[in-house]
Amino acid sequence: EPEVTQTPSHQVTQMGQEVILRCVPISNHLYFYWYRQILGQKVEFLVSFYNNEISEKSEIFDDQFSVERPDGSNFTLKIRSTKLEDSAMYFCASSERLPGGYSPLHFGNGTRLTVT
Amino acid sequence: GNSVTQMEGPVTLSEEAFLTINCTYTATGYPSLFWYVQYPGEGLQLLLKATKADDKGSNKGFEATYRKETTSFHLEKGSVQVSDSAVYFCALSDPQGGSEKLVFGKGTKLTVNP
Repeated sequence: EPEVTQTPSHQVTQMGQEVILRCVPISNHLYFYWYRQILGQKVEFLVSFYNNEISEKSEIFDDQFSVERPDGSNFTLKIRSTKLEDSAMYFCASSERLPGGYSPLHFGNGTRLTVT
Repeated sequence: GNSVTQMEGPVTLSEEAFLTINCTYTATGYPSLFWYVQYPGEGLQLLLKATKADDKGSNKGFEATYRKETTSFHLEKGSVQVSDSAVYFCALSDPQGGSEKLVFGKGTKLTVNP
């Protein structure tokens, strides 16, 4: 069964550094998402992406964050200048259509980001 | 805004015990409801879903019924196995309410002992 793959599985970075988290969604999917889960807390929506542009973003997704689909297969999340509070598990997801009951999200295994 | 509240864990059961994990929701529109499961070291997987009131989602022996009158979507399984040990997340999606995102509960960690 096709799956969403994320790399790396664990990233350690120093505060203030830029990080890029990479995801390869399922090939025929059209909608792409990033979620994050701070340890012990809820899984939180960050951003959705469709037709090469952001379709929705949360308050968390400020100017330090950006997303890109550079080559038609990868979907990346960039954090420009990491803060300690960015430490979390970041999940990429994709779906064929909007998820509202018609098309489930398929999640990757996540990238654990640790900011020191 | 939309929100999901699920029972706090962790939950520890013996094999073959009955499982209930409570989930209630608040939504502005008519949401679709989901249960996702996260096995150790893995990503979130869709376990089951229901898209309208009174629908029952089921998969792998798990069931949940969309109850609009009580705004609930409780997860149940009659006889749990050790392999069911995981974290379970209740979630909703409310595109008619203007958002396509999934809103998750905090997750409930289930441990099943042999």
